[in-house]
Amino acid sequence: DAKTTQPTSMDCAEGRAANLPCNHSTISGNEYVYWYRQIHSQGPQYIIHGLKNNETNEMASLIITEDRKSSTLILPHATLRDTAVYYCIVTEGRGAQKLVFGQGTRLTINP
Amino acid sequence: EPEVTQTPSHQVTQMGQEVILRCVPISNHLYFYWYRQILGQKVEFLVSFYNNEISEKSEIFDDQFSVERPDGSNFTLKIRSTKLEDSAMYFCASLEQRGEQFFGPGTRLTVL
Repeated sequence: DAKTTQPTSMDCAEGRAANLPCNHSTISGNEYVYWYRQIHSQGPQYIIHGLKNNETNEMASLIITEDRKSSTLILPHATLRDTAVYYCIVTEGRGAQKLVFGQGTRLTINP
Repeated sequence: EPEVTQTPSHQVTQMGQEVILRCVPISNHLYFYWYRQILGQKVEFLVSFYNNEISEKSEIFDDQFSVERPDGSNFTLKIRSTKLEDSAMYFCASLEQRGEQFFGPGTRLTVL
């Protein structure tokens, strides 16, 4: 079973920041928080990951709380192409370890 | 930018037939995976593969399923005798050593 809890769906206006929350209260010390998204029925696409520090890349920012029990993915200027299902996954991220997907958050960007 | 490719994009087969789904992972990656997604449901792990052997498999991955890396580039998933419930999107993924898994575009398998 997935070790994360996410809202089922969210809406955001185009051009605004989309903030997607994730709870992972049972995360262990060596587990990372990974975010992937799936646009329509395409293959999941990696977005960002982090251990305990906040992270930023060209796609998004990841804010992890100090106790690491929750995190927020931020898409700073959402576009219509960001409409997708977003998955928050905790994993050690090493080698053969599988990804366990939950239901994710269906994010809809509205014009 | 290197990417994972999968063929065919859509496979239609009759129940009881064998199918082989093909994947070409990113060339310097060491770990390979198959996942599936039944329409409207979540992505499910099937199997991971490293150093020419299965590292882990889920309970879905029963004796009807097998994986192979027949040469240095291809990674295949075989379903020996397809069932209606095998209809799904099948995604291949690869990983270099640690970090993010890269997913292919998927093969849509339809079993009639």
